[in-house]
Amino acid sequence: GAVVSQHPSWVICKSGTSVKIECRSLDFQATTMFWYRQFPKQSLMLMATSNEGSKATYEQGVEKDKFLINHASLTLSTLTVTSAHPEDSSFYICSAPPTGKNEQYFGPGTRLTVT
Amino acid sequence: AQSVTQLDSQVPVFEEAPVELRCNYSSSVSVYLFWYVQYPNQGLQLLLKYLSGSTLVKGINGFEAEFNKSQTSFHLRKPSVHISDTAEYFCAVTGSNYKLTFGKGTLLTVNP
Repeated sequence: GAVVSQHPSWVICKSGTSVKIECRSLDFQATTMFWYRQFPKQSLMLMATSNEGSKATYEQGVEKDKFLINHASLTLSTLTVTSAHPEDSSFYICSAPPTGKNEQYFGPGTRLTVT
Repeated sequence: AQSVTQLDSQVPVFEEAPVELRCNYSSSVSVYLFWYVQYPNQGLQLLLKYLSGSTLVKGINGFEAEFNKSQTSFHLRKPSVHISDTAEYFCAVTGSNYKLTFGKGTLLTVNP
C-alpha cells in the first residue's frame, strides 16, 4: 500500500514551453501533497505544499507564477513549469502523507531537461 | 525552525562490515524522525521512522536506528551491509505540519 506515482518519469522540452507533471496517490487519499526539487548530488528542496481545494503554499524564493500547482482531487496534484528555461532542468519529486498520518510516501520522480 | 545535520557526506565500507550513518537534528518542538534511501534516478523509499514509543526503531532491509533525545541524534545502523545497500541515505525531521526537512544526504558505497 501507500503508492505514489508520477507522470511523466522523464521529459525533454524546448525553452519557453510549459510542462505539466502529475502526482497521484494510488491507494490512499491525501489532502496535502508536497513538491520537491533535487539538483544532482544534492538534497531535496521543498518547493511548495499542495492543498486539495485551496491554494498552494510556496516556500521562500520559489516563484509561484512559474511553478503552478493545482490539487484538483484527493489523489491528484499537478505541477506546471511555465515558460521553462534550462536552469529549470532538475529532478522533481512529489510526496504525500495519507490523511491523518505523519509519514510521507514519495513518487519516483520526474527528470526535466529543458533545451 | 528545524534542521538536520548528516555528519558524513560519504561513507565507504566493505561488504559484510557494519555501518553507522550519523544524523543530528535540532528543533524547538516535538519531532518525528525518518530515514529514507534513494537509489540513482529514483524517488525516496522510507527505511524507518520514529514517531513515539521505543527509541530503537527497526526498519526494512535490516536497518535500525536509535532515537537519542539528550544527544538529539538519530543514527542509522546495519550490522552487515551488502553491495545492494549502495545508495544515498537521507535523514529527515518533521513536526505537526508534515513538512519534511532533509539533511544533505550520505552516500553509502559498499565495496566488495
